[in-house]
Amino acid sequence: QSVLTQSPAASGTPGQRVTMSCSGSSSNIGSNSVNWYQQLPGTAPKLLIYSNSQRPSGVPDRFSGSRSGTSASLAISGLQSEDEADYYCAAWDDSLNGLVFGTGTKVTVL
Amino acid sequence: EVQLVESGGGLVQPGRSLRLSCAASGFTFDDYAMHWVRQVPGKGLEWVSGISWNSGSIGSADSVKGRFTISRDNAKNSLYLQMNSLRAEDTALYYCVKGETVVVVGATLTNWGQGTLVTVSS
Repeated sequence: QSVLTQSPAASGTPGQRVTMSCSGSSSNIGSNSVNWYQQLPGTAPKLLIYSNSQRPSGVPDRFSGSRSGTSASLAISGLQSEDEADYYCAAWDDSLNGLVFGTGTKVTVL
Repeated sequence: EVQLVESGGGLVQPGRSLRLSCAASGFTFDDYAMHWVRQVPGKGLEWVSGISWNSGSIGSADSVKGRFTISRDNAKNSLYLQMNSLRAEDTALYYCVKGETVVVVGATLTNWGQGTLVTVSS
C-alpha cells in the first residue's frame, strides 16, 4: 500500500501542458526532498527529477517539478508522444525509515 | 556507462528461499549505497531494501523485515538479496538500483537495472 497518493491518470494532446500531483505527509514530503521517476512501457524506471525540482543531465527542460508543504507536482510542457509513460513520485519517510513511492500516474498522449 | 545486471530470479515454491545477485560496472561501486526495488507486473514500485557503501547501515521495508537480507561485496562489485520464507505476494520484478550517495537515507535512485523476475507459486 503506497504512502504517497498520485492522480491515477493524466492526458493531453501534443504540445499541451500536463500536470500531476503527489500527496504525502509531514514525515515524508513535508520533511524530505521529492524525486520523480519516469517508466516508459516495458522498461525500467528512470530518474526524471531529483531534489524537488532538479533535472539530471539529459532530461529535457520540458519537465519541471515543485514541492509545497506535503505535496509535490510534476509538469510536462510541450507534451510529446514519447512522454507517454507512468510517472512515480518518491520521498524518504522518517517515520517508516524507508523510501516510499507514489501510486503512479499514467500519462496518455491523445 | 553504469551497468547493473540482476540474476537469480525464477519460479520458487512458497516458504522456500532464493538469492538474487546484481553485478555492477561502470562506476566506483563502493562509493554508493545500493538498493532493491520491486514491482508486481502492471503495478507500482515498492522499495525493498537499501545498504550503505560500507554495509554499515541497512534499511528494509516492513513487508520484508525478518525475511529478506541485503548484502554487498565491494571487492566483487556485487549486490545481493537473500529472500527467505517467500510468499505469493513477493512475486515481482526485482530491480537493482544505484543510489546517489554513500548513505541509504534520502535514497535518490540514479540508475536501474532491467530487473529479474521472481515468481512464488506452488
